[in-house]
Amino acid sequence: NAGVTQTPKFRVLKTGQSMTLLCAQDMNHEYMYWYRQDPGMGLRLIHYSVGEGTTAKGEVPDGYNVSRLKKQNFLLGLESAAPSQTSVYFCASSYREPHIQYFGAGTRLSVL
Amino acid sequence: DQQVKQNSPSLSVQEGRISILNCDYTNSMFDYFLWYKKYPAEGPTFLISISSIKDKNEDGRFTVFLNKSAKHLSLHIVPSQPGDSAVYFCAATFGNEKLTFGTGTRLTIIP
Repeated sequence: NAGVTQTPKFRVLKTGQSMTLLCAQDMNHEYMYWYRQDPGMGLRLIHYSVGEGTTAKGEVPDGYNVSRLKKQNFLLGLESAAPSQTSVYFCASSYREPHIQYFGAGTRLSVL
Repeated sequence: DQQVKQNSPSLSVQEGRISILNCDYTNSMFDYFLWYKKYPAEGPTFLISISSIKDKNEDGRFTVFLNKSAKHLSLHIVPSQPGDSAVYFCAATFGNEKLTFGTGTRLTIIP
């Protein structure tokens, strides 16, 4: 039972490059989330989705885009990476209410 | 505007003793609170939660207390074990789709 899987686990980008982070869940959850974790800042919500085909902005959405074309997948895109986007990114999913979210292992991204 | 605050970045506790982790919040609309535990190189995992209609919830060695008048919640771990060494995040929500997380407290259990 895989749960929430994030791909890739590590990535180094140069400023201005683009990339997509993939999140896949096999629990048939309705809600999916993307967070970033920075030292001393806790987990901050970037974007989230309450169902297939829906997305919404979180606390820190600027510089990111998302898509949820299939219920099990939630993609996070960086169109033009900046050093300020160096962070650890976590994807999470929940069945209905946000109360118990299941997290992936994270993607460590460095933008040089 | 940090709506959920964990003012202690770190805490060290002797094995077998009680660990108390604290969390304060500013938004009186929050109606559900959670604690997550995170080991290095892993994602956070849900630990315990409490509804605003209760003031205590217990699950084995873990107990969460909620003081609504003080806008304060705490997590008690008794007895503390080496495997409890991790970063603990408190989180809160008020009936929508989002959780607001605190900044985390790193707990170290000393053998």
